[in-house]
Amino acid sequence: RKEVEQDPGPFNVPEGATVAFNCTYSNSASQSFFWYRQDCRKEPKLLMSVYSSGNEDGRFTAQLNRASQYISLLIRDSKLSDSATYLCVVNPPLNFGKGTSLLVTP
Amino acid sequence: GAGVSQSPSNKVTEKGKDVELRCDPISGHTALYWYRQSLGQGLEFLIYFQGNSAPDKSGLPSDRFSAERTGGSVSTLTIQRTQQEDSAVYLCASSFRGGEKLFFGSGTQLSVL
Repeated sequence: RKEVEQDPGPFNVPEGATVAFNCTYSNSASQSFFWYRQDCRKEPKLLMSVYSSGNEDGRFTAQLNRASQYISLLIRDSKLSDSATYLCVVNPPLNFGKGTSLLVTP
Repeated sequence: GAGVSQSPSNKVTEKGKDVELRCDPISGHTALYWYRQSLGQGLEFLIYFQGNSAPDKSGLPSDRFSAERTGGSVSTLTIQRTQQEDSAVYLCASSFRGGEKLFFGSGTQLSVL
């Protein structure tokens, strides 16, 4: 299975900060992309899909760059509750990155 | 329930014993996946079932691992002659179709003593 690479972090940011994560993938045939969130000792949960034109969901913006084969996640106005590990997922072949750890501090 | 259900939630076994982990996917989901996650590590793909197609077993780490999905619904992951390195959380996920959004169960924490 092809690799999906993420900066493991941790990213330590203060409340209210903007933070961005990147994820690179090696399979140029990949067609669908997702960001998942995983809290400590919990299962991953879908945060958002990533569309070719980029998409936004509240404070979260996801973008796809097919030419450079990476996806990104931008979180604006970080909240304490955003602290988690963020996993990018690329399909095919539905590979998960190892995740980027985010800690938002007061 | 409406979500993916896994059982048991915790399993402690002795080295060399066989274990069976069960996954009950969301009704109507044709795709089912097994992953495992060691402490502090990412998700490691194990096996993927899609409808009646032959499963993708490319992630199974050894021939001690096997899985089946009966009737296109419930799946069982079997680990024979467990080793300490098999200790991990085993996560099952399902999706409406392969490659779409995954919904995860809460996992089985396997501890091999």
